[in-house]
Amino acid sequence: AQKVTQAQTEISVVEKEDVTLDCVYETRDTTYYLFWYKQPPSGELVFLIRRNSFDEQNEISGRYSWNFQKSTSSFNFTITASQVVDSAVYFCALSEVTGGGNKLTFGTGTQLKVEL
Amino acid sequence: DAGVIQSPRHEVTEMGQEVTLRCKPISGHNSLFWYRQTMMRGLELLIYFNNNVPIDDSGMPEDRFSAKMPNASFSTLKIQPSEPRDSAVYFCASSLARGHSGNTIYFGEGSWLTVV
Repeated sequence: AQKVTQAQTEISVVEKEDVTLDCVYETRDTTYYLFWYKQPPSGELVFLIRRNSFDEQNEISGRYSWNFQKSTSSFNFTITASQVVDSAVYFCALSEVTGGGNKLTFGTGTQLKVEL
Repeated sequence: DAGVIQSPRHEVTEMGQEVTLRCKPISGHNSLFWYRQTMMRGLELLIYFNNNVPIDDSGMPEDRFSAKMPNASFSTLKIQPSEPRDSAVYFCASSLARGHSGNTIYFGEGSWLTVV
């Protein structure tokens, strides 16, 4: 069975601090995909990144960066120089790939609060 | 480009009433998902379709819930009769599934259901 663990329920930081959101996953699949989604206070789920199990290169997009390590089954997300607009719930998700498409198993989310 | 469109955005209904949630996936996408989000259970997959065919409905909580996808551009999730414990945010999502690749799943803004 697939499982995603986000041990940090809530994180509070002061603006401009760097913050890392942890994600640990479990799967027996050799091919899988990992995702991060952002859910701002308005409620929608916004796609941030997708990573496949064969690509362990770290990725950077502006102030966002992701560290994927298969050896520790982790896919951590770092926000550099956090801003108030980064305040949201962040979900890590694991994709189970089937012949009929793929479906996501979500972690419980990490609530990030960025204060002035 | 239009994203996943859901309606209604908000609904308040009385226990026992029928509720119908609607979804228009992104044009060209062939997989459609219904997720439910609650404080207690987080984000859970209810059902997903591939090419309009239900592939996995194991997440549908009980017979009061039903989902249909009569064509590639429309799906409904129906609850009849509704109960207060059905109060949640219901997300529709879609993706373009190609074989076994882990395609990105894009979410609608959600339908906020309150059953009183």
